[in-house]
Amino acid sequence: EIVMTQSPVTLSASPGERATLSCRASQNVNNNLAWHQQKPGQAPRLLIYGASTRATGIPARFSGSGSGTDFTLNISSLQSEDFAVYYCQQYNNWYTFGQGTKLEIK
Amino acid sequence: QLQFQESGPGLVKPSETLSLICTVSGVSMNTDIYAWGWVRQPPGKGLEWIGSVYYSGHTYYNPSLKSRVTMSVDAPKSQFSLNLKSVTAADTAVYYCAIPERGIWGQGTLVTVSS
Repeated sequence: EIVMTQSPVTLSASPGERATLSCRASQNVNNNLAWHQQKPGQAPRLLIYGASTRATGIPARFSGSGSGTDFTLNISSLQSEDFAVYYCQQYNNWYTFGQGTKLEIK
Repeated sequence: QLQFQESGPGLVKPSETLSLICTVSGVSMNTDIYAWGWVRQPPGKGLEWIGSVYYSGHTYYNPSLKSRVTMSVDAPKSQFSLNLKSVTAADTAVYYCAIPERGIWGQGTLVTVSS
């Protein structure tokens, strides 16, 4: 089983700041990596797939990078609606999710 | 546009079988292009893939749940199903039908395991 580890667990930031979230895979997942955003009471929403491709309708302030085992999600200028929980997910060998990073308002 | 809707009992007794159905709209299920999947989320916790099933009947399950899970497809009804047997309180969760990497998620349904 591929284990996905996200860091930090909680990230405190202010609107307008840049946020950087990390995700590490226990083995090579190539670029088969997705990022999802989840708000309370809602289903997750796909942000990024293929490690760096924005899903339909996702603002350009969200960007993904990395390949192999180390991946990053950057949010260039935080908006109020961006404070949520973010999950990385590998789909190179079925699916596993990271434990999530909670992005909270400082 | 491919969409999912989960349905099933919201309350299941311990040791019984949890059964859910996902109704698919927007595409014919008569294809192995898609792996029809289930993901769950216990209250306040993260996401866990349960398994996926193809139209052909091939199934792939999370090893941690494999002994208790059965999935199937009913293409004429545009549905796929999840059965999880011998449930305990630890199986209490919101259950989503999903193809996560394609951004397709149902709204989720809360299933509580309690007597």
